[in-house]
Amino acid sequence: EVQLLESGGGLVQPGGSLRLSCAASGFTFTSSAMTWVRQAPGKGLEWVSTSGSSGTTYYADSVKGRFTISRDNSKNTLYLQMNSLRAEDTAVYFCAKDEFIPAARTEDWGQGTLVTVSS
Amino acid sequence: IVLTQSPGTLSLSPGERATLSCRASQSVSSSSLAWFQHKPGQAPRLLIYGASNRATGIPDRFSGSGSGTDFILTINRLEPEDFAVYYCQHYGSISRTFGQGTKVDIK
Repeated sequence: EVQLLESGGGLVQPGGSLRLSCAASGFTFTSSAMTWVRQAPGKGLEWVSTSGSSGTTYYADSVKGRFTISRDNSKNTLYLQMNSLRAEDTAVYFCAKDEFIPAARTEDWGQGTLVTVSS
Repeated sequence: IVLTQSPGTLSLSPGERATLSCRASQSVSSSSLAWFQHKPGQAPRLLIYGASNRATGIPDRFSGSGSGTDFILTINRLEPEDFAVYYCQHYGSISRTFGQGTKVDIK
């Protein structure tokens, strides 16, 4: 059974930093692409970043240059380093596992971790 | 690519059919279009991938169709647990986009 467990959320001041973690189990993490998606209060889902199985990384324009996605395959853990945080980054952040065969899909999700950016 | 969903809210009764639209700003591959259901406090749930393929464990009252720029999610015979927000998503080569969502609520 695939399990994804996010941690690291909390309250941070504008301009501050936070690192989210996503502990994965139940599948071969090293060969899986992994993604972060967020939902701000009262808003819709927003794709944040993806780490390909080969290590290639992709970012939404809204976080490019401020957020860094990384992975530790020895620990089966995905990270999201968030710097220069803004009020508009306040959201629940979900970690998810991607598949691409036979077609792109994101079937497995964590329960999310809340990040609040406020003074 | 921008995905525009309509309507914003759909008010229906249990047992009715829901038809949700997702329009892309330019033509996309059907293999790159998915639909998700999202309820408050829960993780999103994949319903449809590749425009028309039901994900694991999804009841057959959910179906997806469409190609090019126009895609449809149909929910036949709405059950009480189907009242939620639905999102389409495009998987691009270097980025992804969600539509703004359609809320299906109880009439």
